[in-house]
Amino acid sequence: DQQVKQNSPSLSVQEGRISILNCDYTNSMFDYFLWYKKYPAEGPTFLISISSIKDKNEDGRFTVFLNKSAKHLSLHIVPSQPGDSAVYFCVGNNDMRFGAGTRLTVKP
Amino acid sequence: DTGVSQNPRHKITKRGQNVTFRCDPISEHNRLYWYRQTLGQGPEFLTYFQNEAQLEKSRLLSDRFSAERPKGSFSTLEIQRTEQGDSAMYLCASSLAGYSGNTIYFGEGSWLTVV
Repeated sequence: DQQVKQNSPSLSVQEGRISILNCDYTNSMFDYFLWYKKYPAEGPTFLISISSIKDKNEDGRFTVFLNKSAKHLSLHIVPSQPGDSAVYFCVGNNDMRFGAGTRLTVKP
Repeated sequence: DTGVSQNPRHKITKRGQNVTFRCDPISEHNRLYWYRQTLGQGPEFLTYFQNEAQLEKSRLLSDRFSAERPKGSFSTLEIQRTEQGDSAMYLCASSLAGYSGNTIYFGEGSWLTVV
């Protein structure tokens, strides 16, 4: 059973605006959550992670927010760029099972 | 380059033949994972090793699939009597358990086409 889920299969935003990708989880035992980005015909690449003891982690244009009470995390990309167009996955570190992801399209 | 290396990158085979893929993980990574990905889907977990021990196998991994990591370094994934439904990209990944949340790093994948 998928313990980390992304309920939005796709998201489309305008270049320069904010992209918000969401993820919900059921297992409170995860130590870390990780976000991966995948371009077609390539393996996923690690993007950013967040420890379960934090509520925010920032790396350049990418920020992850963790709301433990809601069992929800989100990835914010600001400003969005066309090169960010890809499929994004969130996973829990002790499970490492991927869902279908969210396809982000950033329009010029 | 010290990333995860997979070969061959592409393989076309006839139905019924056996194929083997090799994965060389990042040096000193003790965990190694195999995934399968088809169009429009996320990576499907198949199996993982910690050192040479195969700790978990997905129910998706039929008897025709076998993976080994004999010395705790490189790994092989063999598919026997291939079927057209086996056509997919096979991804290998590795991690250092207990470090940075067990971040896994993927190779570029091995494409299998069964004709």
